[in-house]
Amino acid sequence: DGGITQSPKYLFRKEGQNVTLSCEQNLNHDAMYWYRQDPGQGLRLIYYSQIVNDFQKGDIAEGYSVSREKKESFPLTVTSAQKNPTAFYLCASSIRQGVYEQYFGPGTRLTVT
Amino acid sequence: SQQGEEDPQALSIQEGENATMNCSYKTSINNLQWYRQNSGRGLVHLILIRSNEREKHSGRLRVTLDTSKKSSSLLITASRAADTASYFCATRGSRLTFGEGTQLTVNP
Repeated sequence: DGGITQSPKYLFRKEGQNVTLSCEQNLNHDAMYWYRQDPGQGLRLIYYSQIVNDFQKGDIAEGYSVSREKKESFPLTVTSAQKNPTAFYLCASSIRQGVYEQYFGPGTRLTVT
Repeated sequence: SQQGEEDPQALSIQEGENATMNCSYKTSINNLQWYRQNSGRGLVHLILIRSNEREKHSGRLRVTLDTSKKSSSLLITASRAADTASYFCATRGSRLTFGEGTQLTVNP
């Protein structure tokens, strides 16, 4: 059963703590992406990776960090420097970075209090 | 900033009616994609239309693209309650940029 998994579905953290969101895909896709979605809004790109050991900042990278040590995995760390971390986080992948459709995971809802 | 802008922001119709959503964008694109999102879930790709195409069909979905007006429309025919979701257009330039979506409610 191929697809993208994100865990956990819900995550609660205290302000000042770093937290890492998991994203795994078994689609053999080269490119992976992290988006943030706030209520009633569209998606904003945080980071993307075209290939293993490479990643690029998106539009709102401040306060976030990523790694891409394996093709299947693209974890996102929300650091204490992110001023408004409470949001819905979506991971996606595509065959390659470019004109291709993206496949999304089910999302992680992060609440920081 | 978001390139794609959907119109209307919200749409409520009865089952069996057609639903039309529009998307406008600002710069030249390689393709335009439509996605669907059920509440609290990830997005699902519906259809991709290339910049040299004018119309595309997929089941009950019909997408048009007018590059001279920088606009696209998504038509869902014979809507069902299960079509209730948010619909996003995403434009592909150097990267994929999403609009803010249209919330469609189909009443049984």
